[in-house]
Amino acid sequence: AQSVSQHNHHVILSEAASLELGCNYSYGGTVNLFWYVQYPGQHLQLLLKYFSGDPLVKGIKGFEAEFIKSKFSFNLRKPSVQWSDTAEYFCAVNYNTDKLIFGTGTRLQVFP
Amino acid sequence: KAGVTQTPRYLIKTRGQQVTLSCSPISGHRSVSWYQQTPGQGLQFLFEYFSETQRNKGNFPGRFSGRQFSNSRSEMNVSTLELGDSALYLCASSWGDRPYEQYFGPGTRLTVT
Repeated sequence: AQSVSQHNHHVILSEAASLELGCNYSYGGTVNLFWYVQYPGQHLQLLLKYFSGDPLVKGIKGFEAEFIKSKFSFNLRKPSVQWSDTAEYFCAVNYNTDKLIFGTGTRLQVFP
Repeated sequence: KAGVTQTPRYLIKTRGQQVTLSCSPISGHRSVSWYQQTPGQGLQFLFEYFSETQRNKGNFPGRFSGRQFSNSRSEMNVSTLELGDSALYLCASSWGDRPYEQYFGPGTRLTVT
């Protein structure tokens, strides 16, 4: 079955620490990959997306993600987090159909 | 450009009642998808509409239904509400040729008592 796994459910970091959130998907066909962010009290926002081409994708607010096809992964990274990055992060995959399948989300807390 | 809007933002209903939620997509977007978000299950896909036709459907019972109007606005209806239907219902819109690149509204928080 098509699925998306986010192994880190809750991550706690201090400001300036580096961040990497894992995302793995099942199935080996053509995929389109996304990371969404949900800040407290706000709606889901698209952080970055990958359709094809350069597997290293840069998004807003200094985030980037790398698509590694051989590992079925699309991990989110940021070199130095800020308190304002506290949010819930969702990985989503489109398996060449018309719908998105979301991971269960990773709650990130950044302390000053 | 205005974002996706959803009304109402908050709703309290009683078990057995029915509810209708509304979504207005970003101007020019023709695809509208609905999701249910709960702490335990995360985001679960309900259905997607394009040009007034349901194009995709998730694994929800028939009590959950939707429709789309000619101006791309969409409504979602839940009949015979159950306590487990308490959730944040999210609407997302997208261009018709890239329905998976979705932009979300703020959601409707439904509480069933």
